[in-house]
Amino acid sequence: KAGVTQTPRYLIKTRGQQVTLSCSPISGHRSVSWYQQTPGQGLQFLFEYFSETQRNKGNFPGRFSGRQFSNSRSEMNVSTLELGDSALYLCASRGGSNPNYGYTFGSGTRLTVV
Amino acid sequence: AQSVTQLDSQVPVFEEAPVELRCNYSSSVSVYLFWYVQYPNQGLQLLLKYLSGSTLVESINGFEAEFNKSQTSFHLRKPSVHISDTAEYFCAVSYSGGSNYKLTFGKGTLLTVNP
Repeated sequence: KAGVTQTPRYLIKTRGQQVTLSCSPISGHRSVSWYQQTPGQGLQFLFEYFSETQRNKGNFPGRFSGRQFSNSRSEMNVSTLELGDSALYLCASRGGSNPNYGYTFGSGTRLTVV
Repeated sequence: AQSVTQLDSQVPVFEEAPVELRCNYSSSVSVYLFWYVQYPNQGLQLLLKYLSGSTLVESINGFEAEFNKSQTSFHLRKPSVHISDTAEYFCAVSYSGGSNYKLTFGKGTLLTVNP
């Protein structure tokens, strides 16, 4: 059974540009969450999607957005990149809302903004 | 607000020594607790979880954690560590009810096992 796949693994962008990150969850998982990991702030929740609907959003500016497709794949977009957006972006999927399902994380996309 | 405190940012130990990584959470409601491990340049892997029932939970690689409701703690222990246990460990909490969609993480503890 394939795990959570995130593409690309590494990305370098310039300030002011925008970027789109992709996440393919485990087959059958309808819930996809995104987290930002930085040395200073640690792991912070960005948002979660379930069956194409955003269920909640973390405390991030509107430059951070996402969506989920009918096949449960998810994309995250960051517009007008800032140096502080440099981070490891992790995607996690789970089979349902019951915490018994647990989250499975991908290997992440490391974004560097220069 | 939900919060998780990992009291030690770094824990150096020698191989075969015991280790305890400490975790406290703030909550007045039912919680689910998790420990994740992150190896360099990788994502997070679930080590163990407490959902309900027995307060002592174990992982397949010798780690265990005990849920202590009165002290709001979920410390991770291993009686004898290996070099391969060197990694960063994250404690996380989610809450029962309608808000169990997200994990709130601690800042992490870097465990370094020296020969």
